[in-house]
Amino acid sequence: AQSVTQLDSQVPVFEEAPVELRCNYSSSVSVYLFWYVQYPNQGLQLLLKYLSGSTLVKGINGFEAEFNKSQTSFHLRKPSVHISDTAEYFCAVRLGVGGKSTFGDGTTLTVKP
Amino acid sequence: GAVVSQHPSRVICKSGTSVKIECRSLDFQATTMFWYRQFPKQSLMLMATSNEGSKATYEQGVEKDKFLINHASLTLSTLTVTSAHPEDSSFYICSATGQGPSYEQYFGPGTRLTVT
Repeated sequence: AQSVTQLDSQVPVFEEAPVELRCNYSSSVSVYLFWYVQYPNQGLQLLLKYLSGSTLVKGINGFEAEFNKSQTSFHLRKPSVHISDTAEYFCAVRLGVGGKSTFGDGTTLTVKP
Repeated sequence: GAVVSQHPSRVICKSGTSVKIECRSLDFQATTMFWYRQFPKQSLMLMATSNEGSKATYEQGVEKDKFLINHASLTLSTLTVTSAHPEDSSFYICSATGQGPSYEQYFGPGTRLTVT
């Protein structure tokens, strides 16, 4: 079975500062990795995904993540955050096509002016 | 990207009644649909996985007789909460995957259920 650990439950940061949201996973087989964003009372929106190939993945809204197989990590980064980035962020893993996703507990990113 | 809709977006029902939530894939055929439950400030908990035309597979601890899932077509899945109680109040989110290599899981906007 796979599991996901998001190491920070809350991350406060000032506007225009860089941010990193940390995600570690465990699995006995290869997995696909995802980051999602959730705004209040809304569903999840895909930020980016790693399936294979280049370990540095670029997503929407200026976010990027790096897959590190040796450290089983998939940390999300943004060089300069905006107030509008305030939201809940979830890291998730999937085993493959049609496979169910396992989500981390989420990280609340709060961007302060 | 593909769109998944949920209806209703919010519903309030009285204790003991049943409520149905619909999940539709609007522009693709969803071979697999997932139903999640999310409590405030918590992560998504997978309730069940449904494939079109077959019985849903429920996660451990989820009562199949209480949370009835039907996936009658490639574009529609329904979740019926039977004999609802206040502790069933939650945010319910569906997601769908289609055919093809994208491995993408598309999420609906969620349904806020409040049982009074």
